[in-house]
Amino acid sequence: DAGVTQSPTHLIKTRGQQVTLRCSPKSGHDTVSWYQQALGQGPQFIFQYYEEEERQRGNFPDRFSGHQFPNYSSELNVNALLLGDSALYLCASTQWGDSSNQPQHFGDGTRLSIL
Amino acid sequence: TQLLEQSPQFLSIQEGENLTVYCNSSSVFSSLQWYRQEPGEGPVLLVTVVTGGEVKKLKRLTFQFGDARKDSSLHITAAQPGDTGLYLCAAFTSGTYKYIFGTGTRLKVLA
Repeated sequence: DAGVTQSPTHLIKTRGQQVTLRCSPKSGHDTVSWYQQALGQGPQFIFQYYEEEERQRGNFPDRFSGHQFPNYSSELNVNALLLGDSALYLCASTQWGDSSNQPQHFGDGTRLSIL
Repeated sequence: TQLLEQSPQFLSIQEGENLTVYCNSSSVFSSLQWYRQEPGEGPVLLVTVVTGGEVKKLKRLTFQFGDARKDSSLHITAAQPGDTGLYLCAAFTSGTYKYIFGTGTRLKVLA
């Protein structure tokens, strides 16, 4: 049973460029959330997708956008990259519903470095 | 804004020592999770606590949810080098599906 998978594992970009990160949820899960984790800190919620729509959003600018596909996989897009966007980007999946008691399953992340 | 504050931020101890990590908030949560994250990997769920006052044990790890469901603690007995990692508490904010993480406690256990 495959868990959450993310690609690529590492990525190097320069300021001003655009990047797309990808996530496949754990089998049976239909909800995908994205997080940004700066070095030494806890993950920060970016947004959550269910039924191909953004359901919740954290305090991130519009440069951060996403998409969910009919097979529940998801993409995170970041435009006009800044040095401060360097971080580990984590994807987590769960089942929509009574999520208050649903733990989230995480992928190993994409390490994005901006030069 | 609902926040989860963890303490201590860093902890370096010798193998065999005991330690406690705290996760505090002014908000009430319906449940709270604890994760451990190792370098280059995503967080791995350790436990979910749901009931106020609940105590759960996972081998040498003991988790407690505060009576008012605003805080939680993680106690490790006889720490081992394999316990080294970033410990994170997390919870869903009330009324939404936003999942917030604590500030994290980085533990290093020296052999």
